[in-house]
Amino acid sequence: DVKVTQSSRYLVKRTGEKVFLECVQDMDHENMFWYRQDPGLGLRLIYFSYDVKMKEKGDIPEGYSVSREKKERFSLILESASTNQTSMYLCASSFLQHNYGYTFGSGTRLTVV
Amino acid sequence: DAKTTQPTSMDCAEGRAANLPCNHSTISGNEYVYWYRQIHSQGPQYIIHGLKNNETNEMASLIITEDRKSSTLILPHATLRDTAVYYCIVRSGNAGGTSYGKLTFGQGTILTVHP
Repeated sequence: DVKVTQSSRYLVKRTGEKVFLECVQDMDHENMFWYRQDPGLGLRLIYFSYDVKMKEKGDIPEGYSVSREKKERFSLILESASTNQTSMYLCASSFLQHNYGYTFGSGTRLTVV
Repeated sequence: DAKTTQPTSMDCAEGRAANLPCNHSTISGNEYVYWYRQIHSQGPQYIIHGLKNNETNEMASLIITEDRKSSTLILPHATLRDTAVYYCIVRSGNAGGTSYGKLTFGQGTILTVHP
């Protein structure tokens, strides 16, 4: 069964900590994405990558960075976590061709205290 | 990418067809219509997509009007497990550029299937 795996389901971190959220896909997808989901705001794109070492800013990149050293892995980094980064984080991947659907992970619920 | 408009919520009886509408009146010629759903506490799940022809797969059918300004997702025999938020998304098919590959989610339709 093909899938996107996010390293943690729930995470609690302290303000100011550096946080790594990991995402791995086993479908040989070129595209990988990081979204956050908040009540009333829906899903918002943080960053995406269409190839190894390539990255593009989404709608809300401030306070985040990403790393894609291998095709199957896309990491989201919170350099200095803040309480307003408490959210559900969702990773997704897809083939480069537009006419394929995206596969999402189950999400990481991050709480920053 | 074109904006979409969906009803906030809908109800459906178990075993009946659920018809979820979506308006995308500003859609352009190279934009596809995608449908995803999100069951509580899970990531969104791809359902179906189309350009201008009607599409059907094992999950649902997608009916796109001839002028492409609206579409309807049909779940032919809704079950309790189909209760979810359903997102209609319009996305460009043009490769290249910083917006390529980006999915923009709206608020979606909360579908409640009741016994």
